[in-house]
Amino acid sequence: SQQGEEDPQALSIQEGENATMNCSYKTSINNLQWYRQNSGRGLVHLILIRSNEREKHSGRLRVTLDTSKKSSSLLITASRAADTASYFCATDLTGTASKLTFGTGTRLQVTL
Amino acid sequence: NAGVTQTPKFQVLKTGQSMTLQCAQDMNHNSMYWYRQDPGMGLRLIYYSASEGTTDKGEVPNGYNVSRLNKREFSLRLESAAPSQTSVYFCASSGGRATNEKLFFGSGTQLSVL
Repeated sequence: SQQGEEDPQALSIQEGENATMNCSYKTSINNLQWYRQNSGRGLVHLILIRSNEREKHSGRLRVTLDTSKKSSSLLITASRAADTASYFCATDLTGTASKLTFGTGTRLQVTL
Repeated sequence: NAGVTQTPKFQVLKTGQSMTLQCAQDMNHNSMYWYRQDPGMGLRLIYYSASEGTTDKGEVPNGYNVSRLNKREFSLRLESAAPSQTSVYFCASSGGRATNEKLFFGSGTQLSVL
């Protein structure tokens, strides 16, 4: 069963717009991570937010975490065509050493 | 920097054949993982190794075996391939031992079982 569920499944925006994708999870976590996957490639780590943090920034990325709602969001500001990819959240569940559980992903298409 | 290297990149098998997927990392990481990715399913953990000499089952271990040959290498073996094992397989590594810091992924192996 999937721990993290991303929403929406697919998102299409124009270059320069902001993209927001959400992740919901079911049980307590140590941390939550976001990854990007370009077509036909492996996943690349974007950002990690710990359970005691509420917001983190990295360049054009902003991640929020609401542990009371068991949800996280990834905001990409001023999107570029190169941001076209699938984005996955991954949760490190408490009590499960050494394992990350991935969601099903959001497919982002950024058009010129 | 090679990072995580997987071989082969593509493979076609007939039902019942066996094969081994190879993975090596050059980052001196303790933990290594094998995931499979299927359309609409995200990534699912097959096996992982928290440290050299240890391996543990993940979410979908049936039909697979693994070997942590040394700190660098972690192989995945299909003893008798089935069409249900058609998937894209990713190896990953992380520096942490019991904490999940970020994973570094290989570029994947696309496997088709006919």
